[in-house]
Amino acid sequence: GAVVSQHPSRVICKSGTSVKIECRSLDFQATTMFWYRQFPKQSLMLMATSNEGSKATYEQGVEKDKFLINHASLTLSTLTVTSAHPEDSSFYICSANFGTDYNEQFFGPGTRLTVL
Amino acid sequence: GQNIDQPTEMTATEGAIVQINCTYQTSGFNGLFWYQQHAGEAPTFLSYNVLDGLEEKGRFSSFLSRSKGYSYLLLKELQMKDSASYLCAVSDSNYQLIWGAGTKLIIKP
Repeated sequence: GAVVSQHPSRVICKSGTSVKIECRSLDFQATTMFWYRQFPKQSLMLMATSNEGSKATYEQGVEKDKFLINHASLTLSTLTVTSAHPEDSSFYICSANFGTDYNEQFFGPGTRLTVL
Repeated sequence: GQNIDQPTEMTATEGAIVQINCTYQTSGFNGLFWYQQHAGEAPTFLSYNVLDGLEEKGRFSSFLSRSKGYSYLLLKELQMKDSASYLCAVSDSNYQLIWGAGTKLIIKP
């Protein structure tokens, strides 16, 4: 149980375009979803935390107008990278938890974004 | 501030035992997680400790001392597939996960 999917797994886009990444909890209702970014050979960097039906909480230094997060339902959150640039190329990973005291995060498989 | 410390990189030999340490200073404590992450993949859950002591799960064990702000992940009978990064994460008083930078474990034949 507790499976999280992400789509697409890989995406290549031109500079200036927008890219949407979907994160779905397949067999549970995710109270909270998290979006991470990971550059090569570096650790996870939390970008934002989103709760269903409310605005996402962004970490310091993350532009909320550039990285749009929508958490419309208890099973779906989307991250849209707007006007992507080559420096946005990274591995984007979402995770979700049940929102209880035991807050193990269940991770999606990640999305590799390459901006040309 | 909140801080999680773990070694950047460790090297061990196939078949041996390795211990990866994690020390933490957080505002509150509601458990400590260890995750494994292979290159190019998402993290996968290994263990969770909320009480002091040792939790054993097959070849992997995790230890916690809350008074010392210290945990370790012990990997026995190392296999080449254990080459990965190991991430320590602490759940703070707000149940937010605070992540360490990860320890890259290199296994040599």
